[in-house]
Amino acid sequence: NAGVTQTPKFQVLKTGQSMTLQCAQDMNHEYMSWYRQDPGMGLRLIHYSVGAGITDQGEVPNGYNVSRSTTEDFPLRLLSAAPSQTSVYFCASSYSWGGETQYFGPGTRLLVL
Amino acid sequence: RKEVEQDPGPFNVPEGATVAFNCTYSNSASQSFFWYRQDCRKEPKLLMSVYSSGNEDGRFTAQLNRASQYISLLIRDSKLSDSATYLCVVVPRNTPLVFGKGTRLSVIA
Repeated sequence: NAGVTQTPKFQVLKTGQSMTLQCAQDMNHEYMSWYRQDPGMGLRLIHYSVGAGITDQGEVPNGYNVSRSTTEDFPLRLLSAAPSQTSVYFCASSYSWGGETQYFGPGTRLLVL
Repeated sequence: RKEVEQDPGPFNVPEGATVAFNCTYSNSASQSFFWYRQDCRKEPKLLMSVYSSGNEDGRFTAQLNRASQYISLLIRDSKLSDSATYLCVVVPRNTPLVFGKGTRLSVIA
C-alpha cells in the first residue's frame, strides 16, 4: 500500500493564480481531511469528508474548495491564491472519524508570492 | 479557553532524562485522546492512544485525567532520537478531532 500520497511536494504560485493540491489514499478510508500548518499555529482543519459525495468545512475554509467524487481522492482547490495561504498542507485519512488513527500524507509546501 | 492547549516548549533535556508534557482540553464530552509525534519537516504520526486507565509503551507512558481535563506524556530515559514535536489530539463527540499546537522536545547529548 502507498498509504496517503500528495502532489506536488512543492509549489510556488503568484497571487491570484489557482491550483489544485492532490491527495489520494489506497486504504479504503471513509474519512479524509485537509490541514494547513503554520509556525506557531499548529494544524488547522480546512475541510473534511466523511465519505464520497460528502464534504464539510473545518476551522479555516475560506479561499479553499474541496470535492469527494471517489473514496480514494480528495483534492483541495485554491481559487485565487493569496500570500496568506503560504503554508504546509497535509492531507490525512482514517477508517472513520472518531478515535481512529489518522494517516498523513508527506505534505505540500506552498509559497504564494 | 482554547480547545486544546500545550506548552510549546522547547524542552531541552540531556540524554537519559525523564521529561513530561501536559495537555489540557476544554470539551468535557471529548471521548478519545492521542499523542502524535512530528519530526522536523515531516508529517505527524501516531505515537500512542491514551486510555482512562493509563497505558505504557516501552519508555513512553500516557495518562488521562478526565476530572481535571488533561492528558500527559512521560518519556523515560530520553534518547537523541526522541527529539521531535509532540502533538496532543482530542476527539470531541461528533466533531472532527482537534490538534494541540505541539510541544517541542530537544534531547541533547
